[in-house]
Amino acid sequence: SQTIHQWPATLVQPVGSPLSLECTVEGTSNPNLYWYRQAAGRGLQLLFYSVGIGQISSEVPQNLSASRPQDRQFILSSKKLLLSDSGFYLCAWTSGRLEETQYFGPGTRLLVL
Amino acid sequence: RKEVEQDPGPFNVPEGATVAFNCTYSNSASQSFFWYRQDCRKEPKLLMSVYSSGNEDGRFTAQLNRASQYISLLIRDSKLSDSATYLCVVNRYSGNTPLVFGKGTRLSVIA
Repeated sequence: SQTIHQWPATLVQPVGSPLSLECTVEGTSNPNLYWYRQAAGRGLQLLFYSVGIGQISSEVPQNLSASRPQDRQFILSSKKLLLSDSGFYLCAWTSGRLEETQYFGPGTRLLVL
Repeated sequence: RKEVEQDPGPFNVPEGATVAFNCTYSNSASQSFFWYRQDCRKEPKLLMSVYSSGNEDGRFTAQLNRASQYISLLIRDSKLSDSATYLCVVNRYSGNTPLVFGKGTRLSVIA
């Protein structure tokens, strides 16, 4: 069966510090991968998605970036965090087939102080 | 118009009540529809897919009206454990494209 991992689970970082969040998927190959952010009391905002290694689509302009160095690994990064980057970061995957359900990892809760 | 709109609630209902959530979507090209459930401080989890003919899973019934671009979720005999935020989800276009999530409707089932 497929599983999706995210780490760390929680993170407290000062403004201006770098960020690296990691997501890995097991039990499937060539998944579509997604990064979402959910700010407190708000809906899910799609940040990036990837349909293959090295292929990244950005949904909103921001100071975050994403990379997919391996088939089942998706990384979210920032060189300098802003206060507004605080939120709940969720990674998700689909198999890439038509009308396929999206499954989420447990998320990383980030607090920027 | 937002891509997916939901009444944010909260809906506060007693145990055993029937509650209905509605959702509208703006893109007539959307082909896939889902309801997700999100517990407090947890990731969203799939509750059920929504099919054109409507579908039922135990106490949960989902309906789709393509002409009106409207999706509904009915929960019968509400349990305390049903308390959560319910997210309406559609895909942006047909085929292999990202999903668009509504902001969710909060449900609190009270003893």
